[in-house]
Amino acid sequence: EVQLVESGETLVQPGRSLRLSCTTSGFTFGDYALSWVRQAPGKGLEWVGFIRSNIYGGTAEYAASVKGRVTISRNDSKSIAYLQLNSLTAEDTAMYYCCRVGSNYGDYFDYWGQGTLVTVSS
Amino acid sequence: DIQTTQSPSSLSASVGDRVTITCRASQSISSYLNWYQQKAGKAPNLVIYAASNLQSGAPSRFSGSGSGTDFTLTITNLQPEDFATYYCQQSYSTPFTFGPGTKVNI
Repeated sequence: EVQLVESGETLVQPGRSLRLSCTTSGFTFGDYALSWVRQAPGKGLEWVGFIRSNIYGGTAEYAASVKGRVTISRNDSKSIAYLQLNSLTAEDTAMYYCCRVGSNYGDYFDYWGQGTLVTVSS
Repeated sequence: DIQTTQSPSSLSASVGDRVTITCRASQSISSYLNWYQQKAGKAPNLVIYAASNLQSGAPSRFSGSGSGTDFTLTITNLQPEDFATYYCQQSYSTPFTFGPGTKVNI
């Protein structure tokens, strides 16, 4: 069974940094890209970024709203993906989801974690 | 960046109804369009990928169509568990963008 579990800080002060982990199981981690999607309270879904599998160079791409503040990385030996987001503001308050990226035709998010709610507040 | 819009933003329907939701992309995205269902308090769930392919485990009453800029998600014989918010998402190019969502109400 494919599983993704997000974990990390849930309350962060403005201006500080956040690091979330996505621990996975049930599939060959190294074969897949991983993505992060967030959802502010009461709002829609926002793609944050993704990291390709090392088969395709392990490179990452990011949304403009977080570019320059974000790093997505992966540890294939531990089957974990990470999201680091710096210089947090209240606008970063959201549920953060980790997703596996399927690619049978185009890219799509075929498995999701349950999400972790991050609140940016002093 | 490619923008995606959805219509309507919300709709009311009854069990057994046929429901259609439209998604439009700001430029041609071939068939690189996915649909997700999100129930309140839960993570989204992939329903349709590549415009018309039913995700494994999704009920056959869900179907998708379209290519280029205009796409449709159709739910036939609406069931109580289908009341949720539906999002389209383009994967033609990054940044991958989601539509604003369509809430299907009872």
